Amino acid sequence: DTGVSQDPRHKITKRGQNVTFRCDPISEHNRLYWYRQTLGQGPEFLTYFQNEAQLEKSRLLSDRFSAERPKGSFSTLEIQRTEQGDSAMYLCASSLAGAYGYTFGSGTRLTVV
Amino acid sequence: QKEVEQNSGPLSVPEGAIASLNCTYSDRGSQSFFWYRQYSGKSPELIMFIYSNGDKEDGRFTAQLNKASQYVSLLIRDSQPSDSATYLCAVKLGGGADGLTFGKGTHLIIQP
Repeated sequence: DTGVSQDPRHKITKRGQNVTFRCDPISEHNRLYWYRQTLGQGPEFLTYFQNEAQLEKSRLLSDRFSAERPKGSFSTLEIQRTEQGDSAMYLCASSLAGAYGYTFGSGTRLTVV
Repeated sequence: QKEVEQNSGPLSVPEGAIASLNCTYSDRGSQSFFWYRQYSGKSPELIMFIYSNGDKEDGRFTAQLNKASQYVSLLIRDSQPSDSATYLCAVKLGGGADGLTFGKGTHLIIQP
């Protein structure tokens, strides 16, 4: 087990394009989280799943953002009609339900030009 | 609005000294508290968590929680240059909410 894996590591896209990121959690972890971090800020919670169910969504998650975890394993985060303000590091994390704290992946850095 | 406040620093501490990092939070419903370390260009890694008032020690690290004052701190004893990083304080509400609210982090520099 190599930890939480995120793909791609970097993504540059033009404003208005759609992008999709993938996260593969630690295999036995049933909870999966998405966060966004901009320079000089702490991570901001976006959403989390327990198995395939999306249990919590932040108000930061606008209609342009959608996340799925169809089989309770990997997850995807899609951003439609990207804006320059979407430029950030998108972090995925996973844990076992009831565990304290979780393990972050290396992140996907999105740059919208 | 739920807030977690940290002094952004940089906090400069000589090698071998005790580094003290502080954090305050606004929501009295917060139940669990976490310290993450983040090296430049890397993702956060969990150092410690605490949920009861008082002190919790793990090696060179001690977390302190005072719920009445809505204050949590992290002490790093015998600071090493490898401790130089940004330290993020995070809190979690109870009641089924599982997302963490992070502070902006404190940039710690250990001077050899």
